[in-house]
This record gives sequence, structure tokens and C-alpha cells, in this order.
Amino acid sequence: QKEVEQNSGPLSVPEGAIASLNCTYSDRGSQSFFWYRQYSGKSPELIMFIYSNGDKEDGRFTAQLNKASQYVSLLIRDSQPSDSATYLCAVTEASGTYKYIFGTGTRLKVLA
Amino acid sequence: DAGVTQSPTHLIKTRGQHVTLRCSPISGHKSVSWYQQVLGQGPQFIFQYYEKEERGRGNFPDRFSARQFPNYSSELNVNALLLGDSALYLCASSIQGNQPQHFGDGTRLSIL
Repeated sequence: QKEVEQNSGPLSVPEGAIASLNCTYSDRGSQSFFWYRQYSGKSPELIMFIYSNGDKEDGRFTAQLNKASQYVSLLIRDSQPSDSATYLCAVTEASGTYKYIFGTGTRLKVLA
Repeated sequence: DAGVTQSPTHLIKTRGQHVTLRCSPISGHKSVSWYQQVLGQGPQFIFQYYEKEERGRGNFPDRFSARQFPNYSSELNVNALLLGDSALYLCASSIQGNQPQHFGDGTRLSIL
């Protein structure tokens, strides 16, 4: 059973701090990695995607990928109360079906 | 441009009935995936279609079926509904199967 693991949280950070969200995956052949933000009662919203080892930055968000360690993370700089949500990590299976495997999500709370 | 649209937004059914959920992808997107999300969990993959062909199937019983039409819209059908089918059903589209997926607002299905 291929798995994606996330700490369910809540992760509480003060406003303006850096929030660090982590995700590990079991399928060593996975090629694509995604972070989604989901507000309560809403659908997931794509935040970042990364395909290669290293860092990828987009505004206040940085995705980091380490395929050797099977680890992907999301950093949110200058966290705002509006960033309070559940962050879902998704990984594609290596089988070529492009099936996304989601973690259970980490709930982030940014304290004003 | 319109995002992924799903209908209906809410649905109440009783055990044993069947249901059809509909999804229109973002214009230009040829791949549609269906997910089931229960409270407190990440989305679970049900199906992926690309160019009207099934490209992936998750671990769901045969009561679940889907199809994609020539205009790339899609339907998810669930027969013989069970109480455990109560969930948020999400449709996601992408340009191709391996590109980032964008989610619709979902259909919330309640089984009484």
C-alpha cells in the first residue's frame, strides 16, 4: 500500500513567522509532488508543484524535494492568519496512471 | 476562464439508490479525475480519464463507475448506495494526466 504521511497537527505559528510543513512518501518511483491548501468546507486549491530535487519558490511559498529521503516540504514565509487551513501533500504513483495519493493533511493555525 | 464545475453541489439519497455526479473540466483540459473525501481524511482516488479512456482506477467497488464524454466532461455513477458513501466527491481536471490537477468545488453526498 503506497502511502503519504503527514503530521495532522495542528501546527501553530505566530503571524509573520515561517511555517514548515512536512510530508514523506513510500513509493520511491514517484515523480510529481504537489501541495494543496484546503479551507474548512472548501475544495483543495493547488499551491505548489515540484518535480525535481531541490527548492522551488513562488512568492511566500517554497517547496523542497529530496527524492533520496522520500521527503517533500512546504515553507510559508511571513505567515498570515489567512494561511490558516489544512495543507495536503499529494504524490503521483510511479505506475504511470498519474493517480494522486494524498496525505491526511496538516492543519496550520497562524496566530494573530 | 471558468474553473472546474461540478453539479449538483449537494445531494441527499437513501440507501440502495443510485446517483450520478457531473463534472465539466477547465477549457482545454483533457484529463478528469474523481476523488472521494471523508471528513478528516485526504481525497481518495477513484478514477482518472484521459481522452475518453480510463487511465486509472482506485480501490473502490464495482458499484462505482465513470465515463468521459467527447467534450471531456465526465460523470461518476454510484449504484446501491451505502451509508459509507456519504462524502465530498471531488472532480479535478488537468491538461494531461501528468500535469497539476485543479479541483472543482465538489458534490457533498449524504446517504440516509
